[in-house]
Amino acid sequence: EVQLVESGGGLVQPGGSLRLSCAASGFTFSNYAMNWVRQAPGKGLEWVSYIRSTSDLIYYADSVKGRFTISRDNAKNSLYLQMNSLRDEDTAVYYCAKDIVFGGSSQFDTWGQGTLVTVSS
Amino acid sequence: QSLLTQPPSVSAAPGQTVTISCSGSSSNIGNHHVCWYQQLPGTAPKLLIYDNNKRPSGIPDRFSGSKSGTSATLGITGLQAGDEADYYCGSWDTSLSVVVFGGGTELTVL
Repeated sequence: EVQLVESGGGLVQPGGSLRLSCAASGFTFSNYAMNWVRQAPGKGLEWVSYIRSTSDLIYYADSVKGRFTISRDNAKNSLYLQMNSLRDEDTAVYYCAKDIVFGGSSQFDTWGQGTLVTVSS
Repeated sequence: QSLLTQPPSVSAAPGQTVTISCSGSSSNIGNHHVCWYQQLPGTAPKLLIYDNNKRPSGIPDRFSGSKSGTSATLGITGLQAGDEADYYCGSWDTSLSVVVFGGGTELTVL
């Protein structure tokens, strides 16, 4: 079964840091581009970041550029999101999402259950 | 403000057909494929349509997608109570190099 499991969410103060992880199973992780997508409480989906299967191409949303860093370890079938300088508006459920193709197509066929990040003092 | 525009809500009776529109521009829908997601309350999004009109395995043919110019449409026939959910369109914006989502449409089955 293709599965993504996020972890690492929690309560953090403004200005703080958090590292999210996403464990992949049931497919050849190294063959697919991966993404992080977030959803603030009661709001719509917001794409956060993309990383190609070989880590040589990375994109970020303007709202997180310079503060968040996406990475992956294909040997560990894991995706990461290092979040620094967190702001109140970063409060959201964060999903990792698998692209449907190797190079990335911005279409996601598998999503994790999400991990909640709450930024508050 | 989303680069892709969807109606906030649509509604129809069980058994009827509903369509949800997604309007973009030449930098996204006009030059890239469109996908659609269904998000049931309290759950993660689920891919319904990719490459404008293709269904992943397991998605019933009651769901269909189309694209024309800078707009796309999701169609749902034979509405069921279980179709009540939020629906999002998605694409890639070639000018901004970002994934873009519509603001979402809440479907109510009356």
